[in-house]
Amino acid sequence: AQSVTQLDSHVSVSEGTPVLLRCNYSSSYSPSLFWYVQHPNKGLQLLLKYTSAATLVKGINGFEAEFKKSETSFHLTKPSAHMSDAAEYFCVDGGSNYKLTFGKGTLLTVNP
Amino acid sequence: KAGVTQTPRYLIKTRGQQVTLSCSPISGHRSVSWYQQTPGQGLQFLFEYFSETQRNKGNFPGRFSGRQFSNSRSEMNVSTLELGDSALYLCASSFAAGGLWETQYFGPGTRLLVL
Repeated sequence: AQSVTQLDSHVSVSEGTPVLLRCNYSSSYSPSLFWYVQHPNKGLQLLLKYTSAATLVKGINGFEAEFKKSETSFHLTKPSAHMSDAAEYFCVDGGSNYKLTFGKGTLLTVNP
Repeated sequence: KAGVTQTPRYLIKTRGQQVTLSCSPISGHRSVSWYQQTPGQGLQFLFEYFSETQRNKGNFPGRFSGRQFSNSRSEMNVSTLELGDSALYLCASSFAAGGLWETQYFGPGTRLLVL
């Protein structure tokens, strides 16, 4: 069964500094991986997805993620955090059987 | 295009009652999935429908049920509500070709509080 592990439940950064949110996946086949963001009292918005076409995936709002098969990782990064990035981020395995498997989430706090 | 819409947005019920939540997918999308989000359990898959057929179901008791109509709109029902059913219920839609990399688009959710 596929699963994803988000290694940090909470990450705090200062505005203007880099962001790193870590995700490891466990899948017996080539995975489909996504990062979603959820702002307070809002639904989930897709940031980016890995489609096997390229290992470095660029998403919206300056986020990107790198798929590393040797490390079974799909970490999310952004060079410079903005106050509006404060939200909860979910690493998701698209898997199969028409369902998404979510990680536990990482709450990103951005300090002024 | 309009996004996924869910009604109602907020709901308060008491234990033992039943509740029906509604989801209208993005126009042209034929798959609708439901997820429950709680602080303790995170986001958990409830079920997925395509062309009025349930293709997959998560590990939830039979009190949780759903259906999909011919226009792809979907409803989920929870009978005999328990306090633990208090959660944010999210609906997602997709074209549902079934591809691994198909994006699911989420609605704003219905927040259910059971007293």
